[in-house]
Amino acid sequence: KAGVTQTPRYLIKTRGQQVTLSCSPISGHRSVSWYQQTPGQGLQFLFEYFSETQRNKGNFPGRFSGRQFSNSRSEMNVSTLELGDSALYLCASSLTDFYGYTFGSGTRLTVV
Amino acid sequence: GENVEQHPSTLSVQEGDSAVIKCTYSDSASNYFPWYKQELGKGPQLIIDIRSNVGEKKDQRIAVTLNKTAKHFSLHITETQPEDSAVYFCAAKSNFNKFYFGSGTKLNVKP
Repeated sequence: KAGVTQTPRYLIKTRGQQVTLSCSPISGHRSVSWYQQTPGQGLQFLFEYFSETQRNKGNFPGRFSGRQFSNSRSEMNVSTLELGDSALYLCASSLTDFYGYTFGSGTRLTVV
Repeated sequence: GENVEQHPSTLSVQEGDSAVIKCTYSDSASNYFPWYKQELGKGPQLIIDIRSNVGEKKDQRIAVTLNKTAKHFSLHITETQPEDSAVYFCAAKSNFNKFYFGSGTKLNVKP
């Protein structure tokens, strides 16, 4: 069974640009969550989508947004990139609220 | 909201020894506690979990214990091997399906 797939694996962007990251959850998983991972801040929750609706949101500025499609695939977008947005962005999916996450391998974003 | 604290931040053990990582949480409504292992260049992988109606769970060399009264849970790895070297994260799931992660423990198993 295929795991959680994130694309691209690596990205280099310039300050001020915007970026879109993609996540394909495990087949049948309807909940998709996004996390930002940095050495100093650990795993920071961005948002969670369930059946195309944002169900939870972390404490990130409005430059960070996301969406989920009817096939449960999800995208997150970061506009007006800042150097501090450099991080590993992790997507995780779960079957239902009763289960834990399965994480993807992440997208490593570097902002220069 | 929930607050999860994890200790120690780094742990170095000799191969064959045991390793223990401890986490505390603040929200008594939290009811699910997974542990994740993250190897270099990979996403976190679920290795064991425990629910609030269980005090202990074991899976081969790893075990997790939960003390609801004290609001803490621990990961125990016995007979450690070099391939156990990784960063380990604890987490607590509160109401509204929100997960709160600890800050991570870097485990180094020396051959």
